Amino acid sequence: DIQMTQSPSSLSASVGDRVTITCQASQDISNYLNWYQQKPGKAPKLLIYDASNLETGVPSRFSGSGSGTDFTFTISSLQPEDIATYYCQQYDNLPPHTFGQGTKLEIK
Amino acid sequence: EVQLVESGGGLIQPGGSLRLSCAASGFTVSSNYMSWVRQAPGKGLEWVSVIYSGGSTYYADSVKGRFTISRDNSKNTLYLQMNSLRAEDTAVYYCASAVGAANYGMDVWGQGTTVTVSS
Repeated sequence: DIQMTQSPSSLSASVGDRVTITCQASQDISNYLNWYQQKPGKAPKLLIYDASNLETGVPSRFSGSGSGTDFTFTISSLQPEDIATYYCQQYDNLPPHTFGQGTKLEIK
Repeated sequence: EVQLVESGGGLIQPGGSLRLSCAASGFTVSSNYMSWVRQAPGKGLEWVSVIYSGGSTYYADSVKGRFTISRDNSKNTLYLQMNSLRAEDTAVYYCASAVGAANYGMDVWGQGTTVTVSS
């Protein structure tokens, strides 16, 4: 099974900061990667699919990049409403379609 | 409106069985990638199972042989039959689907149903 290593596990940043989260796959997954946002007590929300495609309705300050084994998720200018936990998920070939461990983002 | 509504969670003793339901509206369950994802208290997301539009099913190793995913096309509903439940199966269970442009990006989620396995 493919393992996803996400870092950091937690992050504290100020409003307006550029925030970056990384996700590394244990093998080449091409661009088969999603990014989700989850706020406390809520279901996850899809932000990015196919590593770099912005889901409809998601603000353009969110972006994703990468292919193969190394991926990056970026918030260009952190807003207070972005406080949440973020997860990557791979969907290469056959399941299991594993998630990363999550990154909890807090305001400094 | 595109929506998923789960039901069936509750308190169950170890070794017991439970069936979760996920009723879809606004799209067809049988035409989409449908998954179950769970989240143990204070933990991250764990992928549990999927059924593809063609009917193929897959499971996480942690539930293989104990859980069964299925769908009823006439009711437009997804199910998760959970047998031989263990304390470590305690979690909020979400059903989710890839309905929009992303082939395997789950863009529609239910509200979650809580399963507690305890004596």
